[in-house]
Amino acid sequence: GAVVSQHPSWVICKSGTSVKIECRSLDFQATTMFWYRQFPKQSLMLMATSNEGSKATYEQGVEKDKFLINHASLTLSTLTVTSAHPEDSSFYICSAPGHHSNQPQHFGDGTRLSIL
Amino acid sequence: DQQVKQNSPSLSVQEGRISILNCDYTNSMFDYFLWYKKYPAEGPTFLISISSIKDKNEDGRFTVFLNKSAKHLSLHIVPSQPGDSAVYFCAAREVGSGAGSYQLTFGKGTKLSVIP
Repeated sequence: GAVVSQHPSWVICKSGTSVKIECRSLDFQATTMFWYRQFPKQSLMLMATSNEGSKATYEQGVEKDKFLINHASLTLSTLTVTSAHPEDSSFYICSAPGHHSNQPQHFGDGTRLSIL
Repeated sequence: DQQVKQNSPSLSVQEGRISILNCDYTNSMFDYFLWYKKYPAEGPTFLISISSIKDKNEDGRFTVFLNKSAKHLSLHIVPSQPGDSAVYFCAAREVGSGAGSYQLTFGKGTKLSVIP
């Protein structure tokens, strides 16, 4: 069964709306979670690393004020796309690492965000 | 600059034959490599991995080969089945400590189609 739950799976909203995406680790604690973005026919691009109890680490070129990340507990990280515009439309995926660095990351099913 | 490259965007194979997916990397600090399988509108699912201290890892129909000197790895699927049709991502992890040791760099993926 899924070890990482991501919600919602699909969002369609108007330009200017803020959208929150949740990522939950099931049956295990994740002090670190990762947020990725995937454009059509492109690779998964790491946006930021979410750290429980501290600020997220953003990759170069990712706007911190646009993509707000909160890691409120050991099982929940949220990504809020603020004042979303059509260019923010994409597939967003979260993941949580295994207990050891030699274990694979477990991914959520992703969220398709469509901004009209 | 793409550190992980999958130069074949697509591959078609007859059912029962071998599928070979290739991946090249440029970062010599990568020490752990993974293959993920992804269906449309779903998150990637872990398939198989290999540490840089090995040159081969086998799991059922899936075998990953690593050639460190050539900075090349490949995934072999034999026999290929129609259910294997998906996008396959090669990913690599850079040796390090802390949360950074969990970060993965992905290739752009190869879409495998297994024809019945």
